[in-house]
Amino acid sequence: ETGVTQTPRHLVMGMTNKKSLKCEQHLGHNAMYWYKQSAKKPLELMFVYNFKEQTENNSVPSRFSPECPNSSHLFLHLHTLQPEDSALYLCASSQSMDRNQPQHFGDGTRLSIL
Amino acid sequence: AQKITQTQPGMFVQEKEAVTLDCTYDTSDPSYGLFWYKQPSSGEMIFLIYQGSYDQQNATEGRYSLNFQKARKSANLVISASQLGDSAMYFCAMSATSGTYKYIFGTGTRLKVLA
Repeated sequence: ETGVTQTPRHLVMGMTNKKSLKCEQHLGHNAMYWYKQSAKKPLELMFVYNFKEQTENNSVPSRFSPECPNSSHLFLHLHTLQPEDSALYLCASSQSMDRNQPQHFGDGTRLSIL
Repeated sequence: AQKITQTQPGMFVQEKEAVTLDCTYDTSDPSYGLFWYKQPSSGEMIFLIYQGSYDQQNATEGRYSLNFQKARKSANLVISASQLGDSAMYFCAMSATSGTYKYIFGTGTRLKVLA
């Protein structure tokens, strides 16, 4: 069982819907991340939170809105998404943001936009 | 700009044999980390091995070893005694924390182990 849990595993939504992805880590880590994985493209780092403060937003459109209420939970709120937003969304955590820290990933949420 | 290149989209290896997955990187940061991850069809990314840019020795973790050649900017993953369960996507990644936080992945190599 992974130490990082993502729900839901699969999500189908229309372009006008509002939904949220949830991530919870049970590892006592201080940093959490959202990634987007599209077919035949490298993983794209979207957001970084360190001690529940957002430290990076890599030019992500405003239709993606992250929320980190504490160091163990991370949400990604979705609104008015586009078909090109269909992808696997991965959450990860690490002990710190030091360069030698590996990231621990959840199983991902596979998102399909109709 | 930082970049990770994995030139092998797919690889086959016979069970019990060794296989090398290639990774080259580009960075101007003097201090960085290199990682390999495995992604089975289930989707979860599993951390395999880490190499620091200042580490003198190549990293090893069980059947995994990292062939680090700093001058060539390469960090190839060697899997010894391949098992059927090794069939998966493998991603090379690089981290650097000078300036803004960076964690960059390559496009991955799909490994298929043959019985």
